[in-house]
Amino acid sequence: SQTIHQWPATLVQPVGSPLSLECTVEGTSNPNLYWYRQAAGRGLQLLFYSVGIGQISSEVPQNLSASRPQDRQFILSSKKLLLSDSGFYLCAWSASLNYGYTFGSGTRLTVV
Amino acid sequence: TQLLEQSPQFLSIQEGENLTVYCNSSSVFSSLQWYRQEPGEGPVLLVTVVTGGEVKKLKRLTFQFGDARKDSSLHITAAQTGDTGLYLCAGVGNNDMRFGAGTRLTVKP
Repeated sequence: SQTIHQWPATLVQPVGSPLSLECTVEGTSNPNLYWYRQAAGRGLQLLFYSVGIGQISSEVPQNLSASRPQDRQFILSSKKLLLSDSGFYLCAWSASLNYGYTFGSGTRLTVV
Repeated sequence: TQLLEQSPQFLSIQEGENLTVYCNSSSVFSSLQWYRQEPGEGPVLLVTVVTGGEVKKLKRLTFQFGDARKDSSLHITAAQTGDTGLYLCAGVGNNDMRFGAGTRLTVKP
């Protein structure tokens, strides 16, 4: 069966520090991978998606970036965090949009 | 941009009551999904509806996709405290998926 792992679960980082969140998927090949951010009282905002190794599409211009160095690994990064980067970050995978997403357990990021 | 509006935003009911939450849009979707999210966790897919007018039942949950494939509803019969959570709808459109802001349901014992 397919599983998705996301870490860390919580993170407190100072403004201006770098960020690296990692997501890995097991049990499937060539998954579509996604990074979402969820703010309180608001829906999920798509940040990045990837259909293959090295292929990254950005939905929202910001100081975040994503990389896919391996087929089942998706990394969300920042060189310098802003206060506004605080939020709940979710990684997800899907075989096809119509089959829905499987989400990771999320990372609660607080920038102080 | 395909906007999905969910209502109500918040709902607090007593255990045993019935409830319906709604997901509406002016856009047509090829499919629509419902997820439930508990605090500190990722959303979990409950159901996908594809055909206009489709009704799917999962135990006490009934999902309906509008005839025009623009809206959907989720009905819960005899709510239980374990139904508490954030219910999100998501519509699949032109090669993308958009989420509503969710309905936060609290079921009190």
